[in-house]
Amino acid sequence: GEEVAQTPKHLVRGEGQKAKLYCAPIKGHSYVFWYQQVLKNEFKFLISFQNENVFDETGMPKERFSAKCLPNSPCSLEIQATKLEDSAVYFCASSQYGGTEAFFGQGTRLTVV
Amino acid sequence: GENVEQHPSTLSVQEGDSAVIKCTYSDSASNYFPWYKQELGKRPQLIIDIRSNVGEKKDQRIAVTLNKTAKHFSLHITETQPEDSAVYFCAARGDAGGTSYGKLTFGQGTILTVHP
Repeated sequence: GEEVAQTPKHLVRGEGQKAKLYCAPIKGHSYVFWYQQVLKNEFKFLISFQNENVFDETGMPKERFSAKCLPNSPCSLEIQATKLEDSAVYFCASSQYGGTEAFFGQGTRLTVV
Repeated sequence: GENVEQHPSTLSVQEGDSAVIKCTYSDSASNYFPWYKQELGKRPQLIIDIRSNVGEKKDQRIAVTLNKTAKHFSLHITETQPEDSAVYFCAARGDAGGTSYGKLTFGQGTILTVHP
């Protein structure tokens, strides 16, 4: 598609529950990035993929966060045992190459209650 | 890693005035500097970008300047309109060859309000 598609748009989870977010990059784009935007507005980089390979995971909290990009499937970001502080908007972006323009999806608003 | 500082955090101007937002970065290997506009509840939209081999770039009412020596870059919006009201983010990106290739490091954002 011509747009980065993120689902769901909104997700509400009780503390301790699992949350799974999906991202379909623009067709032909080989890089996928996940960012977390908390209420303060700041964007925090989480992880990037080059095709199905993890490229940079320096921003990922090691304990509860995981992500995958498998062939012929949307990429996913999973949070096990969610905490209140995980409440944020999670944006996915894709780019044709690492050095070209990144296009953002509409985001998934995760609310942990 | 890269660190991007953005100022001011809020900016209020009258319609027709100019607005300037400034950013500094720390990693001299960064060579791409985009600016994003984010309206409430929406995704960030690229409005202008500049690469390190250029000192200035202009697109209608928007311009960006880059000083590589001082490691700072600025966004200039002239003849502001109420629809320019949004949160603006600067960002910096590293060079190919590093493991952070493609990763954007964002500034803290500036809430711009243009009063009619």
